Amino acid sequence: DIQMTQSPSSVSASVGDRVTITCRASQGIADWLAWYQQKPGKAPKLLIHTASTLHSGVPLRFSGSRSGTDFTLTISSLQPEDSATYYCQQANNLPYTFGQGTKLEIK
Amino acid sequence: EVQLLESGGDLVQPGGSLRLSCAASGFTFSRYAMSWVRQAPGKGLEWVSVITSSEDNTHYADSVKGRFTVSRDNSKNILYLQMNSLRAEDTAIYYCAKNRYGGDVVIEFDYWGQGILVTVSS
Repeated sequence: DIQMTQSPSSVSASVGDRVTITCRASQGIADWLAWYQQKPGKAPKLLIHTASTLHSGVPLRFSGSRSGTDFTLTISSLQPEDSATYYCQQANNLPYTFGQGTKLEIK
Repeated sequence: EVQLLESGGDLVQPGGSLRLSCAASGFTFSRYAMSWVRQAPGKGLEWVSVITSSEDNTHYADSVKGRFTVSRDNSKNILYLQMNSLRAEDTAIYYCAKNRYGGDVVIEFDYWGQGILVTVSS
């Protein structure tokens, strides 16, 4: 199985800050990575697919990038509504594995 | 608007069975692969199963293989998950999720249901 390792496991930042979350795949997955946002008591929502393509309706402050097997989710200017847990997921190897999640809190 | 509505969750004893349903609307159901993803209380996300658009392929996580069966009725726009030989570790919120593609080569979940709780306990 491909292991997806997210860092950090939690982060606290202020409104307006730039926040970066990293996900490392244990083997090559090309660009087949998605990012999800989950708020407490709610279903996850797709933010980014294919490593860097923004899903419909997602604010432009969210972006994704890839360098080898390292993937990054960046929030350019943190907003209060961005408080959530973020998950990465590799999308082209069975089983389709998720990272352990990164909890983002607003200071 | 894409809508996915799960039903069938319940409290069941270990060794018991349950069938979950997911009613889909707002998109052409028969064109897309569909998945089940679960989340144990306070834990992360775990992919469970996928079925391709034409029902020709199904895949399962090792943790449920041989116990769970995914199926779909494209005439009724409903996705199912038959769960047998349930264990305490199957306790979770189960989400149905629409895939971006019809096949199973790339699985990215672009829309999710609200989730349904399955509790396995005596």
